[in-house]
Amino acid sequence: DSGVTQTPKHLITATGQRVTLRCSPRSGDLSVYWYQQSLDQGLQFLIQYYNGEERAKGNILERFSAQQFPDLHSELNLSSLELGDSALYFCASSVSSGSGNEQFFGPGTRLTVL
Amino acid sequence: DAKTTQPPSMDCAEGRAANLPCNHSTISGNEYVYWYRQIHSQGPQYIIHGLKNNETNEMASLIITEDRKSSTLILPHATLRDTAVYYCIAPSAGNKLTFGGGTRVLVKP
Repeated sequence: DSGVTQTPKHLITATGQRVTLRCSPRSGDLSVYWYQQSLDQGLQFLIQYYNGEERAKGNILERFSAQQFPDLHSELNLSSLELGDSALYFCASSVSSGSGNEQFFGPGTRLTVL
Repeated sequence: DAKTTQPPSMDCAEGRAANLPCNHSTISGNEYVYWYRQIHSQGPQYIIHGLKNNETNEMASLIITEDRKSSTLILPHATLRDTAVYYCIAPSAGNKLTFGGGTRVLVKP
């Protein structure tokens, strides 16, 4: 158990819909990262927050957005869903945002878009 | 991020040491080397990381060459539960991880 929690575990929805994935970091961790793992793309970095502020952006679609709240939990919002958005979404956390800080991953949310 | 190169797969006998190589010839002086593994579709699991010196923890040892162009992850006594995809990553500033193909390790009884 990494100490990072993600809800829900599974999500099944239809194309065009909007969903919200939630992540609670390990106690004391200020930085949160979101990753997407699809069958054809592997694990890809989406976005990073540190203490409520966006710190780095990866290949995140404009239809996707995220935020980190004052209590440090984070939410990833996916809208206008397409079939290709079906994937595992992982959240990770680390103590700070710089180099030398290991990331601890949650169990993931499996999103299926029908 | 520095590009890393790993063999796509390797087998290991249960109880024996597993030595996983990684080349990172373009690594810069302040880039760490991280190792993670992913068992089936679980969340990636942090194993170990290092900058210049060799490192050891309860899971594994990390040997980094003096020129830092390559490293080896050593699982001292592989068990069936160590069957996983192992990723060697050298992130640049900001700590975002770029996962490549990794090495698929199969531990056999």
